[in-house]
Amino acid sequence: EIVLTQSIPSLTVSAGERVTISCKSNQNLLWSGNQRYCLVWHQWKPGQTPTPLITWTSDRYSGVPDRFIGSGSVTDFTLTISSVQAEDVAVYFCQQHLHIPFTFGSGTKLEIK
Amino acid sequence: DVQLQESGPGLVKPSQSLSLTCTVTGYSITSDYAWNWIRQFPGNTLEWMGYISYSGSTSYNPSLKSRISITRDTSKNQFFLQLNSVTTEDTATYYCARWGLRRRYFDVWGAGTTVTVSS
Repeated sequence: EIVLTQSIPSLTVSAGERVTISCKSNQNLLWSGNQRYCLVWHQWKPGQTPTPLITWTSDRYSGVPDRFIGSGSVTDFTLTISSVQAEDVAVYFCQQHLHIPFTFGSGTKLEIK
Repeated sequence: DVQLQESGPGLVKPSQSLSLTCTVTGYSITSDYAWNWIRQFPGNTLEWMGYISYSGSTSYNPSLKSRISITRDTSKNQFFLQLNSVTTEDTATYYCARWGLRRRYFDVWGAGTTVTVSS
């Protein structure tokens, strides 16, 4: 089973700050089928259901603002919010889909000062 | 809009079976996608449990393989989770979610239903 580690459980930042959230895999997430990494970032806002934010490591889901940037390769992946807004308060978790069982990171809770 | 809604008992006794229903509206479960069950334990860890695809094929988390069954009723556009021989460690919030077999992400989730295993 692929294990995803999000080492920082929570972050508190001021609006406008840049935030990076890390997700590390214990296996290479490269899919040979398209040479892309099988890593998704989800955003889970309070009182809502999770929504996809970034797919295939770096593709923004439809409607996602460009302040959300996904990057990384092999086993190390990062979600960057270039300028945090109040509406970004949420839990951010990564998820891999290279191998069954799909697995999730433990999540990073983002709060605003 | 596609919507998923979980339903089922909120309390199950140890050693019994847990049975949940996910009712899908706005999209036919036989058209496309894989229809999943995911649970979140107290402490917030997420575990993918398994899915049934639009064609009826299933895939399960190996950690649950001996206890889990996912089935469907296409006439009602519902799919079901059965988890046998539950213990207190199966206490969780259970979500159903839609997975794109080509897009490869969960794009729609239900609101979740909390199940407590207790005598």
